[in-house]
Amino acid sequence: QKEVEQNSGPLSVPEGAIASLNCTYSDRVSQSFFWYRQYSGKSPELIMSIYSNGDKEDGRFTAQLNKASQYVSLLIRDSQPSDSATYLCAVQGGYQKVTFGIGTKLQVIP
Amino acid sequence: SAVISQKPSRDICQRGTSLTIQCQVDSQVTMMFWYRQQPGQSLTLIATANQGSEATYESGFVIDKFPISRPNLTFSTLTVSNMSPEDSSIYLCSVATGTFPYEQYFGPGTRLTVT
Repeated sequence: QKEVEQNSGPLSVPEGAIASLNCTYSDRVSQSFFWYRQYSGKSPELIMSIYSNGDKEDGRFTAQLNKASQYVSLLIRDSQPSDSATYLCAVQGGYQKVTFGIGTKLQVIP
Repeated sequence: SAVISQKPSRDICQRGTSLTIQCQVDSQVTMMFWYRQQPGQSLTLIATANQGSEATYESGFVIDKFPISRPNLTFSTLTVSNMSPEDSSIYLCSVATGTFPYEQYFGPGTRLTVT
């Protein structure tokens, strides 16, 4: 059973702080990794993808991948109340199939 | 990214009936996927729908319950058959880009309530 583990939260951070979201996965042959943001009542929206070890930055978002530790994280700098949402970690294995974690609910407190 | 639409956006259906959900994409895509998201849960893949071949179903999902059509590279349908209240969920279609890392983009979803 291929699993993607996330802490369901909620994770509360004050406005302007760095939010750190973490994800572990069980399938060692996983090839690419995604972070999605899902607002309540909406469908998931792709934030970033990453497939090489290290950091990948896009604006206020940084994704970090460590394949040896089977660990993916997402950092959100200068968190805003509009960042309050559920963040889904997703892991792609063979045949382009993606497994999603349960998601971490982030609350940014003004 | 592709623009994806789904119809209907929501519906309330009686048990024992069937509902067909449509997914339309504004560009040609090879791979389309159907997911279910039950309240408070994450996304569960129902099946992969490739044009020109039978859909590939995940464990726990069968064609008789969730028949899928993929007549061309921009359109797919998912039917939820002989519905029960346990089928109440959000159903989402997604499409994948044709190149690595095959990012997936989601439609707005169909919220189904079975009474």
